[in-house]
Amino acid sequence: AQSVTQPDIHITVSEGASLELRCNYSYGATPYLFWYVQSPGQGLQLLLKYFSGDTLVQGIKGFEAEFKRSQSSFNLRKPSVHWSDAAEYFCAVGGLTGGGNKLTFGTGTQLKVEL
Amino acid sequence: DGGITQSPKYLFRKEGQNVTLSCEQNLNHDAMYWYRQDPGQGLRLIYYSQIVNDFQKGDIAEGYSVSREKKESFPLTVTSAQKNPTAFYLCASTPGGENVQYFGPGTRLTVT
Repeated sequence: AQSVTQPDIHITVSEGASLELRCNYSYGATPYLFWYVQSPGQGLQLLLKYFSGDTLVQGIKGFEAEFKRSQSSFNLRKPSVHWSDAAEYFCAVGGLTGGGNKLTFGTGTQLKVEL
Repeated sequence: DGGITQSPKYLFRKEGQNVTLSCEQNLNHDAMYWYRQDPGQGLRLIYYSQIVNDFQKGDIAEGYSVSREKKESFPLTVTSAQKNPTAFYLCASTPGGENVQYFGPGTRLTVT
């Protein structure tokens, strides 16, 4: 069975500081990996995705993530956080199976940005 | 404007009543999904549909029902059998041949 662990429930960073959100996954084959962001009361917006190829992927809003197969990780990073980055971040894993493109989500990391 | 719409944004019902949440997309996406979100639990898959007139149960289908009579519509009914229906419900869709799910804005259902 596939699963995703986001070990940090809450993270607080100062504006301008760097950010790393952790994500560990379990999946039986080559995974498709995603990071989504959610503002309060809103839907999820895709930040970036990894399917294959270069293990460092770039996304929107200056975010990037690195796929490390040996560590089963897909951590999200940003070099300098802006106050508008405060939101909840979800990591997800999936892949094409006979049952379609089902995703499994982590429980999320709430990011607070201090001015 | 292309996109995924969910209506209404807020929905209130009395316990024991069935309620139907709307999800419409004009993106010509093939697959559609329903998730439930509770604080601290992430998103859990309720039902999904890859083609019209076909759908499969997700991880927490009990107390819910769906239909897929049209490609652009995938309504979710929360029945009185659902023990804890109060939650934030998210609909998503995926284009054919892709693996990315795109989400609607969500409906917050409160049952008292």
